[in-house]
Amino acid sequence: DGGITQSPKYLFRKEGQNVTLSCEQNLNHDAMYWYRQDPGQGLRLIYYSQIVNDFQKGDIAEGYSVSREKKESFPLTVTSAQKNPTAFYLCASTPVSSYNSPLHFGNGTRLTVT
Amino acid sequence: AQKITQTQPGMFVQEKEAVTLDCTYDTSDPSYGLFWYKQPSSGEMIFLIYQGSYDQQNATEGRYSLNFQKARKSANLVISASQLGDSAMYFCAMRGAWDTGNQFYFGTGTSLTVIP
Repeated sequence: DGGITQSPKYLFRKEGQNVTLSCEQNLNHDAMYWYRQDPGQGLRLIYYSQIVNDFQKGDIAEGYSVSREKKESFPLTVTSAQKNPTAFYLCASTPVSSYNSPLHFGNGTRLTVT
Repeated sequence: AQKITQTQPGMFVQEKEAVTLDCTYDTSDPSYGLFWYKQPSSGEMIFLIYQGSYDQQNATEGRYSLNFQKARKSANLVISASQLGDSAMYFCAMRGAWDTGNQFYFGTGTSLTVIP
């Protein structure tokens, strides 16, 4: 079955360490997105990519970095520059061709930094 | 600027009753899509229903229907015959036309609790 896989589901890191969250999709979607969600809050866009080797900053890109070397993969690195990295991170994808296609989400990664 | 507004932080509904979750949007684009997602406590985002800006009829998917009032820029979600499993966060979202960068705009969500 096609879908989006985020790994790991839970991630624990010490403050000052960079950490990379994995996102892989086999839906053949061109566009991929990373969102951050804090407890009881909505989704905030970190980065998005519409095509391989190209990506754009979202509303809260500071302290994060991404790469898009393959269509299927869009890893997110949370750097030590991110002041409050503890959050729930959601990866999503969609075709670029039409505004009637929904976002397909992975199951998320809960990152805890102490 | 594109914007989605959900004014109900929390809602309660009796089991088997219907409930309406409000969503208003703001856009100057003639072409756009409106989506509703459900997020249970486990965290996954579940796509529920879609309404296109040019659709003449309100969308329906099982117990979910979308009350689309284009002139008022509202896209309210109606859940009929509520079940305990409907307790979750619900997010309204809008997608612009492909030439606006394929961005999705989310509301802040409504927490729905179904009471037995």
